Amino acid sequence: GAGVSQTPSNKVTEKGKYVELRCDPISGHTALYWYRQSLGQGPEFLIYFQGTGAADDSGLPNDRFFAVRPEGSVSTLKIQRTERGDSAVYLCASSLNQDTQYFGPGTRLTVL
Amino acid sequence: AQSVTQLDSQVPVFEEAPVELRCNYSSSVSVYLFWYVQYPNQGLQLLLKYLSGSTLVKGINGFEAEFNKSQTSFHLRKPSVHISDTAEYFCAVHQGGSEKLVFGKGTKLTVNP
Repeated sequence: GAGVSQTPSNKVTEKGKYVELRCDPISGHTALYWYRQSLGQGPEFLIYFQGTGAADDSGLPNDRFFAVRPEGSVSTLKIQRTERGDSAVYLCASSLNQDTQYFGPGTRLTVL
Repeated sequence: AQSVTQLDSQVPVFEEAPVELRCNYSSSVSVYLFWYVQYPNQGLQLLLKYLSGSTLVKGINGFEAEFNKSQTSFHLRKPSVHISDTAEYFCAVHQGGSEKLVFGKGTKLTVNP
């Protein structure tokens, strides 16, 4: 079946702009996660949804970052007033039983 | 806070040689352990996982890992590597009661002919 999909695959924006990154989880997966992977590093947790609600947003670096999952399926990660330090690959994962997370291909964000 | 250490950032090896990629984690409480592989410009693919039971876990592509609670380690092994195993490998831990994965910094495995 279809895996986790993320759009766009690449996003180039200018400093100060607003961006939205989209994640489509595996059908039926109730848990959805966002991670950020900087160059040469492992992924770092940002936020976790169980259904429509954000169950843990402790990894969001500041209030410029926000994520929603209004219908318990697709999620959007929103970044306001982007900074060059936000450049990274943003990974989405989904899970059925909260024990194994399946990752999408990621969105590479470049802030010029 | 939970942490994961992958001591080797790069491991070069010749084709058909054995390889071990090391992973240590900080917590001694109940954890789930994972190895993921990331091929160039791709997302993370699950190689294998330890949730409970047998400490020797077999995964895809001929990889296996052994959970050692006393040493808080979960080293990844393969008896004979192929060129196609060239990729970056990430060890991750999921502590009971927390839904997030904590990843190591990764080990870049390069298999040379």
